[in-house]
Amino acid sequence: AQSVSQHNHHVILSEAASLELGCNYSYGGTVNLFWYVQYPGQHLQLLLKYFSGDPLVKGIKGFEAEFIKSKFSFNLRKPSVRWSDTAEYFCAVNARDSSASKIIFGSGTRLSIRP
Amino acid sequence: SQTIHQWPATLVQPVGSPLSLECTVEGTSNPNLYWYRQAAGRGLQLLFYSVGIGQISSEVPQNLSASRPQDRQFILSSKKLLLSDSGFYLCAWESGGAGTQYFGPGTRLLVL
Repeated sequence: AQSVSQHNHHVILSEAASLELGCNYSYGGTVNLFWYVQYPGQHLQLLLKYFSGDPLVKGIKGFEAEFIKSKFSFNLRKPSVRWSDTAEYFCAVNARDSSASKIIFGSGTRLSIRP
Repeated sequence: SQTIHQWPATLVQPVGSPLSLECTVEGTSNPNLYWYRQAAGRGLQLLFYSVGIGQISSEVPQNLSASRPQDRQFILSSKKLLLSDSGFYLCAWESGGAGTQYFGPGTRLLVL
């Protein structure tokens, strides 16, 4: 069965610090990978996704993630965070060969940025 | 453009009462529809998904059920709520297995 692990439950950083949130998944087949973000009081929204091609994907607001197949990882990075990046971040994976995308989410990482 | 609506936004219900949460999507046809429950520190748990009218797949055994009476309408129900049903319920849609899901604003349910 698919599973997603986010090892950092709560990360606290100062503005301008660099960010890396870990995500590892377990699935033997081909996967689509996602990072979703939930800002306080807002909908869950897509930050970036990887389907195929260049394993380094760029998303909105300066975020990027790198798919490393050999490590089953899809870590999220940002070189310099802002206070407005305070949110909860969810890594997710789904099997590419299903007619309905059964996305499995990680437990989330709460990011708090100190101004 | 596509939009997704959920109501009510918040709901407080006594134990043993029935439940009906509604989700509707606009601006797309034949979407795949999903119900998730989000619990603090536990991510999103997929409860049900539907690939078409009347087609419901259940992911976990529980006190809840789902129905899809129309193409763009997805309903989450319970005959008798339990305390453990409290949580934040999210509806999502996806176009034909493309992979990206789009989420509604959610319903916060408190069972007392």
